[in-house]
Amino acid sequence: GAVVSQHPSRVICKSGTSVKIECRSLDFQATTMFWYRQFPKQSLMLMATSNEGSKATYEQGVEKDKFLINHASLTLSTLTVTSAHPEDSSFYICSASSPGTSIYNEQFFGPGTRLTVL
Amino acid sequence: AQTVTQSQPEMSVQEAETVTLSCTYDTSESDYYLFWYKQPPSRQMILVIRQEAYKQQNATENRFSVNFQKAAKSFSLKISDSQLGDAAMYFCAYRIYGGATNKLIFGTGTLLAVQP
Repeated sequence: GAVVSQHPSRVICKSGTSVKIECRSLDFQATTMFWYRQFPKQSLMLMATSNEGSKATYEQGVEKDKFLINHASLTLSTLTVTSAHPEDSSFYICSASSPGTSIYNEQFFGPGTRLTVL
Repeated sequence: AQTVTQSQPEMSVQEAETVTLSCTYDTSESDYYLFWYKQPPSRQMILVIRQEAYKQQNATENRFSVNFQKAAKSFSLKISDSQLGDAAMYFCAYRIYGGATNKLIFGTGTLLAVQP
């Protein structure tokens, strides 16, 4: 149980275009989803926390107009990188949690999406 | 603000040997969770072990165990009988006790190599 998927697993796009990454909880309803960014050999950096039906809460230094997050349903959150540039190239990971899935309210992680902007 | 520190960027262990990864944290909270996550080359985050701060007993999961020292704010991971498949990046993480909206705070990670 508690499986989280991400799509696509890899994406290559041209500079200036927008890219959408989907995060789905497959067997539970996720009231909260988290989006992380990870550079090579570095830790996960939390970008934002999204709760179903409300606006995402962005971490300090993360541009909300650049990284649009939508959590429209209890099983789907999307991250859209708008007007992507090479410096946005990174590994993006989502996680999902919900009361009742675990007594620890733990986060379940997706497999990640590698974004390359040319 | 809560912080998590992993002072060993890289570690190496021989197959079948034991290795200990260090983690310290800083918090003013009394109730919280601590986690160790493994990130293999596939980059899928895998939960290795968790510890509730109110429990004095150290958590154990098969070959993985922790040494939780609450007063010292230390949370080390011991891997016994190391296997080649244990080679990965290991992250220590902290989370305030309670709601599902509470975020994880990760350490910088320790890259573990397992030598055959």
